[in-house]
Amino acid sequence: DADVTQTPRNRITKTGKRIMLECSQTKGHDRMYWYRQDPGLGLRLIYYSFDVKDINKGEISDGYSVSRQAQAKFSLSLESAIPNQTALYFCATSDSRTPNTEAFFGQGTRLTVV
Amino acid sequence: GQSLEQPSEVTAVEGAIVQINCTYQTSGFYGLSWYQQHDGGAPTFLSYNGLDGLEETGRFSSFLSRSDSYGYLLLQELQMKDSASYFCAVLTGANNLFFGTGTRLTVIP
Repeated sequence: DADVTQTPRNRITKTGKRIMLECSQTKGHDRMYWYRQDPGLGLRLIYYSFDVKDINKGEISDGYSVSRQAQAKFSLSLESAIPNQTALYFCATSDSRTPNTEAFFGQGTRLTVV
Repeated sequence: GQSLEQPSEVTAVEGAIVQINCTYQTSGFYGLSWYQQHDGGAPTFLSYNGLDGLEETGRFSSFLSRSDSYGYLLLQELQMKDSASYFCAVLTGANNLFFGTGTRLTVIP
């Protein structure tokens, strides 16, 4: 089983719909992140969380919200999806106790908004 | 804010050495990391430099100069499987991980 699991892997949704992307991890890490990837733009940080009670906006948080339901779960919501939110979304985790801050990524969720 | 600059594309011959540079501007800096991503896959961690100097891991090495806000990833004895995108990422003063736009490396026979 993967250490960082994202569901769904692929999703097509209509403009205006609410959608939730889920991420769960078995690594026991305290830090979790949501990124989106667009061709030529790299990985852009949407939200990050350092523990259940700590949620922070990243560089492109508008139009997104998150929930850290437990240390192992971090979900990303699009309240009203729009076509320019079509992208590949990655969840990642890291352990604040390790000095190299290695981030472990899920396999990604490919979201298409039509 | 943060910004990282790295070349968008690099092509190199199998067996050769290639260097991918990364310059950064960030508010607060703890270290520089490198990640590899094959097409259709997830990014995977390659290396981290928290201090100035060279870190070596097998065929891959990474260098950091804090005074120059500059680092690079050096890949030696290139193999076809090294064809991928490579991202530098900074760990900022806010303890988040901020990525560059990536360098697409193509290894040719």
